[in-house]
Amino acid sequence: GDSVTQMEGPVTLSEEAFLTINCTYTATGYPSLFWYVQYPGEGLQLLLKATKADDKGSNKGFEATYRKETTSFHLEKGSVQVSDSAVYFCALSDLKDTGRRALTFGSGTRLQVQP
Amino acid sequence: KAGVTQTPRYLIKTRGQQVTLSCSPISGHRSVSWYQQTPGQGLQFLFEYFSETQRNKGNFPGRFSGRQFSNSRSEMNVSTLELGDSALYLCASSLSGGNEQFFGPGTRLTVL
Repeated sequence: GDSVTQMEGPVTLSEEAFLTINCTYTATGYPSLFWYVQYPGEGLQLLLKATKADDKGSNKGFEATYRKETTSFHLEKGSVQVSDSAVYFCALSDLKDTGRRALTFGSGTRLQVQP
Repeated sequence: KAGVTQTPRYLIKTRGQQVTLSCSPISGHRSVSWYQQTPGQGLQFLFEYFSETQRNKGNFPGRFSGRQFSNSRSEMNVSTLELGDSALYLCASSLSGGNEQFFGPGTRLTVL
């Protein structure tokens, strides 16, 4: 079945440091890929997405490129801020023969940014 | 446009009781999905409803059920609660079950 693997946290960085959170996936079809962010006490917010190979999703300074050859969707940001401290989830959505979709999530990576 | 709303935000129940959680999707969205989030198992898909029909189901026991109303609002029910049902239950809506799902703030259920 489908699965998503992301690096374990917590990831602790100083403000303005470069961020990379690794994400790899396994899927039988041609999935769409997502990064969601969860702030303390809140639900998930869609951060960015990519629907086909070589697509780059970007939002709020975050970027991720859909790499089919390496089955990866790594999240990057050039300069993190304290306000980026949150848990980040990589996810995929694969269209099944039945036309049904559900999100499969990675385990989440907690990011802590220190001033 | 108002986002996805979930009620209640917090619930405390005891083992053996049942509970009903409610989700109102974004206006115009017809698909509602439910997810369970726990520290041990992470985020797991429960089920999806579209046009009042369950269209997709995750690997959860029959104690977990749901329904959707004609206005796309959805409820999920958990019967005979167990300690392991303590979790954050998240609802997500999308236009037609497509790629982009928008999540509500969740209902935190504690089973004592």
